[in-house]
Amino acid sequence: GAVVSQHPSWVICKSGTSVKIECRSLDFQATTMFWYRQFPKQSLMLMATSNEGSKATYEQGVEKDKFLINHASLTLSTLTVTSAHPEDSSFYICSARFGGGASPEQFFGPGTRLTVL
Amino acid sequence: KQEVTQIPAALSVPEGENLVLNCSFTDSAIYNLQWFRQDPGKGLTSLLLIQSSQREQTSGRLNASLDKSSGRSTLYIAASQPGDSATYLCAATNQAGTALIFGKGTTLSVSS
Repeated sequence: GAVVSQHPSWVICKSGTSVKIECRSLDFQATTMFWYRQFPKQSLMLMATSNEGSKATYEQGVEKDKFLINHASLTLSTLTVTSAHPEDSSFYICSARFGGGASPEQFFGPGTRLTVL
Repeated sequence: KQEVTQIPAALSVPEGENLVLNCSFTDSAIYNLQWFRQDPGKGLTSLLLIQSSQREQTSGRLNASLDKSSGRSTLYIAASQPGDSATYLCAATNQAGTALIFGKGTTLSVSS
């Protein structure tokens, strides 16, 4: 299947700093990428949908000014957690869908573990 | 809004047993349903994807079925092995190109 990478795989930062997470589709062009968050022992919750060249669509309750998403190319989307706080510590996973139309499958990155001290 | 529920939340079985994991969804207008495996602290591994026009999919010892009318999907694992120990997530999407809605998962433990 298609490959999606995430960088970094884990990051530890101090409260108040910003952290950028990259999501790349390595062997296909992703018109749409999704960002999910997973707290311990919980399931994945959608944060936002990112379409190349346009503004991301955020789910209710997700602060768009805090979680900045940029999808500047068909192979790269970035999530920046601004002024991170301990409650932002979580596992962040992206997924990518290639092509348009009725393409059914999404391919997931390996995730990024964020720990905010 | 689509909601996905998985039962049981946890399951422990001895090696060699056949087992069934259950997933239910509230909106039968489903586009596709996907089963994933997640190992502790890791990302997702896609196991099987069933499109709305399909009734089941098989891969090796895994078989997933989809019954839209009853809002249910099952993942059947034959001859379970300790290496099957992981959390299994069920996820559904109602439209092409939209995000997946995940259940909370079933954590499976297979003892040798």
